[in-house]
Order: sequence, then structure tokens, then C-alpha cells
Amino acid sequence: NAGVTQTPKFQVLKTGQSMTLQCAQDMNHNSMYWYRQDPGMGLRLIYYSASEGTTDKGEVPNGYNVSRLNKREFSLRLESAAPSQTSVYFCASRLDRPSLSGANVLTFGAGSRLTVL
Amino acid sequence: SQQGEEDPQALSIQEGENATMNCSYKTSINNLQWYRQNSGRGLVHLILIRSNEREKHSGRLRVTLDTSKKSSSLLITASRAADTASYFCATDDVAGGSYIPTFGRGTSLIVHP
Repeated sequence: NAGVTQTPKFQVLKTGQSMTLQCAQDMNHNSMYWYRQDPGMGLRLIYYSASEGTTDKGEVPNGYNVSRLNKREFSLRLESAAPSQTSVYFCASRLDRPSLSGANVLTFGAGSRLTVL
Repeated sequence: SQQGEEDPQALSIQEGENATMNCSYKTSINNLQWYRQNSGRGLVHLILIRSNEREKHSGRLRVTLDTSKKSSSLLITASRAADTASYFCATDDVAGGSYIPTFGRGTSLIVHP
């Protein structure tokens, strides 16, 4: 099925450990995004990539790094996990051509629930 | 910063009733979108309304947009228990030449059978 695939779905880390969340889309979308969702806070943007080879910081980038490996894949890395990074992480993508109908619509992955002890 | 803010934060109604959620935003927009999130799942796009549109329908959904008040509303008519979910509005912030989709905190809707 076409869409956005995130791995892993669940992960428990100890403080200071590192890990990478993987995201891949097969819709030939240009833009990809990583959000975190915390109770009562909605979705907050961590990093985004407007096109292959570019990445930019969002609202809450501290403690994270990203890599746009190719047009399909956009990974999120936690170098030294902290309890404040306990959250649900969502990857999303869209075509991002404002002149095209529907090109602004985001497709989301199912989410990755991360717990940092 | 979060562009859109939904109101109310939580809404509890009986099956068959209508549910209305509101969204306010801060800056000029090209379009406004509504998404739905079932518990433990990713967000799913419901409807997009462009800045030059005032009302749009899709099935039991009706969205209005008032750019002079920087607000939008989502109406779900004849609600069903399956409509129980969180609903988010999203707009595009302009940053460094890119349009960045920004979400509000959402409205949690519970529809009692």
C-alpha cells in the first residue's frame, strides 16, 4: 500500500542512549516532516526537508538530527536521549506544489512511540 | 509557534447530534486543512479549504473560512460513535521561502452511542 512507513513503532531507551527513527514514503513526495506529539500540545515540528538534499529546523529541533537520505527516506536521530524526548513521533510527507490541487495535503505515518527512562 | 488553535479543547455529544469545532489562526494563509486522529493512530486528512473559498462540503463535513476573522469551523452533522477522535486544523507558515504545515492543539470529540 502506498503511504508513509515509520519504524520502529515502539522503543524504550535509557537516558543517554542513541537511536534513529526511520521514515520512508513511496508517493514521490518532495517534502518530508518530523513532528512530535505530546499530551495537550498538539503536533510540533522538529525538522523538515523541503526537497532532497535540504533540511531545516522546525519549532523544537534541540536534541535531534535528521538526514534526507534520498527522495524517499527521512530519518530522525536522537544522539543522547533524554526523558524530555519521551513522546510519539510522526513522519509526514506531501508533494508541496501549491499550484496543484491536493498537493498541500499531508500523509502521515502511523507513529513511533518512544519512552526514555 | 502554533498557528492554529482549536476550540473547544474537548467536546462530548450524543450520537445524532451535530459537532462544531473552531480554529483560529494568526497570519495570512493560502489554505486551511482539517485532519482527524483516531486514538493511537496517525493523522488523516479530511478537507482543505482555500483562502478564496468561504464554505466547503464533504459528506457530513462542512467547513467554513472567515479570513477577516482569521477563523474556520468544522461541522460534523448527524455524528456517529465512529466519529470519536481528535480533530486538528493546520495552516502553512511561511519560513525561508518554504510553506511549513503548522497544527493547533486539537479538539477531542467523544460521541456517545
